[in-house]
Amino acid sequence: AQSVAQPEDQVNVAEGNPLTVKCTYSVSGNPYLFWYVQYPNRGLQFLLKYITGDNLVKGSYGFEAEFNKSQTSFHLKKPSALVSDSALYFCAVRDGANYGQNFVFGPGTRLSVLP
Amino acid sequence: EAGVTQFPSHSVIEKGQTVTLRCDPISGHDNLYWYRRVMGKEIKFLLHFVKESKQDESGMPNNRFLAERTGGTYSTLKVQPAELEDSGVYFCASSQGTDTQYFGPGTRLTVL
Repeated sequence: AQSVAQPEDQVNVAEGNPLTVKCTYSVSGNPYLFWYVQYPNRGLQFLLKYITGDNLVKGSYGFEAEFNKSQTSFHLKKPSALVSDSALYFCAVRDGANYGQNFVFGPGTRLSVLP
Repeated sequence: EAGVTQFPSHSVIEKGQTVTLRCDPISGHDNLYWYRRVMGKEIKFLLHFVKESKQDESGMPNNRFLAERTGGTYSTLKVQPAELEDSGVYFCASSQGTDTQYFGPGTRLTVL
């Protein structure tokens, strides 16, 4: 069975500082990993994904994530945080061996970027 | 290209009543998924359609929930009768031939 952990409920960072939102996963097959962001009163927006290839994945709004197989992690990062990055971030995984399989989501991490 | 749309955005009903949620996926997307987030907890999978067929409905909580996707286009999720614990945000997502699922804005259901 797949599972995703996001160990921090809340991350606070000052504007301009680097940010990291942590995610670890468990999956029996090949992990397909995703990050989504939810802004207030909005739906989930796709940020980036790792399927295969380069472990460092770049996505929307300057975000990137690094796939680390040995640590089963897929932490989301951004070199310089903006106040507008404040939102709820979800990590998700699915087993790459099963086409169309549903995602398993982490509980979400609320990011607050302070001016 | 229009994204995934959901209707209504909010619904407030009383326990025992019936509610029907609608999802319009991105045009051409064969895969359609329903998820829900209850009480600020994890987003949980409910079911998956491929075109009009139910591929996986292992996440449906009980037989008070009925999902349909007639014609393989839009989908409805009916809750009958609604219970207090059904309150939450119901998300729909669609995908086509790729791994990325695109989500709608969600329907916030409140059962009083």
